[in-house]
Amino acid sequence: RKEVEQDPGPFNVPEGATVAFNCTYSNSASQSFFWYRQDCRKEPKLLMSVYSSGNEDGRFTAQLNRASQYISLLIRDSKLSDSATYLCVVLTAGRDDKIIFGKGTRLHILP
Amino acid sequence: GAGVSQSPSNKVTEKGKDVELRCDPISGHTALYWYRQRLGQGLEFLIYFQGNSAPDKSGLPSDRFSAERTGESVSTLTIQRTQQEDSAVYLCASSLTRGTYNEQFFGPGTRLTVL
Repeated sequence: RKEVEQDPGPFNVPEGATVAFNCTYSNSASQSFFWYRQDCRKEPKLLMSVYSSGNEDGRFTAQLNRASQYISLLIRDSKLSDSATYLCVVLTAGRDDKIIFGKGTRLHILP
Repeated sequence: GAGVSQSPSNKVTEKGKDVELRCDPISGHTALYWYRQRLGQGLEFLIYFQGNSAPDKSGLPSDRFSAERTGESVSTLTIQRTQQEDSAVYLCASSLTRGTYNEQFFGPGTRLTVL
């Protein structure tokens, strides 16, 4: 099993719809989780951290399910500008902290 | 304030040549990371620095790749005897320190093309 896995997509979603995607991780000791956004031919940028209790930032909601070892990102009322690749990032602390990026899920919002 | 900068933004080289890629992190950021991203692919971790030390070099794909960091600032990624499979965007990121909940800020990348 890969350390961090994401459905590559693309997810083609009409504007205004709600879309959600998951990211699974294999190391139960992983402790920090993030969602990054990468626009085409641009660098990744932090979208939001994922807290144990789940957190919301405007139209975006991130959740963590430790029992099943996945994090999720839900986008409500999607906008055309939400079209991007969403990267899941997992940090496992230890003697050598390990930060692993998922390969990303591509999202296309359709007008 | 200034973000992470990388130079050159684009580099075209011939197979077998050496290249040097530079990263200037955000001032005061002690952690610095190098990643590689091939076209349409995810980020591939190469190496990270805490200060000037590189505790984890496990991601370097071969001994043709090396990196150094000086003055807890600028870092250089060197690729010797470049091969066509080295063609990719090389991204540098820095964070305040290496640890939980420290956002990585990425530079715009260097697009390397090996002919």
